[in-house]
Amino acid sequence: DIVMTQSPDSLAVSLGERATINCKSSQSVLYSSNNKNYLAWYQQKPGQPPKLLIYWASTRESGVPDRFSGSGSGTDFTLTISSLQAEDVAVYYCHQYHTIPLTFGGGTKVEIK
Amino acid sequence: QVQLQESGPGLVKPSETLSLTCTVSGGSISSYYWSWIRQPPGKGLEWIGYIYYSGSTNYNPSLKSRVTISVDTSKNQFSLKLSSVTAADTAVYYCAGKLELHYWGQGTLVTVSS
Repeated sequence: DIVMTQSPDSLAVSLGERATINCKSSQSVLYSSNNKNYLAWYQQKPGQPPKLLIYWASTRESGVPDRFSGSGSGTDFTLTISSLQAEDVAVYYCHQYHTIPLTFGGGTKVEIK
Repeated sequence: QVQLQESGPGLVKPSETLSLTCTVSGGSISSYYWSWIRQPPGKGLEWIGYIYYSGSTNYNPSLKSRVTISVDTSKNQFSLKLSSVTAADTAVYYCAGKLELHYWGQGTLVTVSS
């Protein structure tokens, strides 16, 4: 199985400041045939299903604010919230859809400092 | 706008079979991958498996011996069966659509208890 390791487990950021979440996969999730990273990021608020933010490692889902961005390739990926807003308090998960079984990171809880 | 809705019993007895259905509205099930994912209370996400609209399936090896996912294109639905359940199978079960999991149902809590 591809193990997805997120860091940190939690972080507290002041409103308007940058939040950075890292995700490392135990194997590459880059398909050389199409040069795509099979990596997505989700936001989950309490009592709600996860919401897709980013797919193909850096493509923002329609309707997602542009303060959310994804970067990285191969085995190392980052989700950045450029200016944290109160509504961004949530748990964030990375997910690889490159290899069966599909796997998720353990989650990163983002709070307001 | 594609919407998904899970349905099925919220309580299942140990050793019995958990059965859930996901109804897709606002779009056709006859495209994309359709997944089941679960989340034990207070924990992270676990992919159970997916089915392509054509009927081909892939399952998590950790659950493969107990899982069956099927699709009914005439009803725009896909279903999950998980046999021989134990308390460890207590979780919120989500259905989701597309390989990148663009679309999610609201989730349904299934408790395994006698």
